[in-house]
Amino acid sequence: GQQVMQIPQYQHVQEGEDFTTYCNSSTTLSNIQWYKQRPGGHPVFLIQLVKSGEVKKQKRLTFQFGEAKKNSSLHITATQTTDVGTYFCAGLETSGSRLTFGEGTQLTVNP
Amino acid sequence: DTGVSQDPRHKITKRGQNVTFRCDPISEHNRLYWYRQTLGQGPEFLTYFQNEAQLEKSRLLSDRFSAERPKGSFSTLEIQRTEQGDSAMYLCASSLPAHFEAFFGQGTRLTVV
Repeated sequence: GQQVMQIPQYQHVQEGEDFTTYCNSSTTLSNIQWYKQRPGGHPVFLIQLVKSGEVKKQKRLTFQFGEAKKNSSLHITATQTTDVGTYFCAGLETSGSRLTFGEGTQLTVNP
Repeated sequence: DTGVSQDPRHKITKRGQNVTFRCDPISEHNRLYWYRQTLGQGPEFLTYFQNEAQLEKSRLLSDRFSAERPKGSFSTLEIQRTEQGDSAMYLCASSLPAHFEAFFGQGTRLTVV
């Protein structure tokens, strides 16, 4: 079955530093979605990427979808303490509607 | 309608007991998903409905797990003969088919003692 892998598992940064998390799928994806989960909370949708090579920005967040539609990245510029949480990628299979989540990257930001 | 609602929020049960959780999706969403999440892990897919039809079920899901969505609105997830390994957060999510963006509920935290 489809597997979605994310690295790193943990990332500790000083406030103001940049942060990147990487996501790789074992199969080609229809689209990829990114979610953020705050401690004690539930996953909250951030963005969806559909096209090969697509790049989208949300303020300090930049999302990329690979040319082969099997990998993706999330980059945060100049992290803030409000960025703390776990970031998950989730891949939608081309064959169906199962949304498979990665293991997540837990981000901590030291003020 | 303020979002996906799950009930109960917390459940403590003795090993061997049956438990049932309820999920009320966003009203216009016809897709409904159940996931299970343990500490430090990503949400693990359990099953998915399109309206009242259960279209996919994880092979990881044992026969002790069953889910229903009888009228295409709310859904229930039942776990029979609970085991300690079933302890987890059970998340429900719903979406519109055209967008696939999933909206999650707050989850039901199950503890099996």
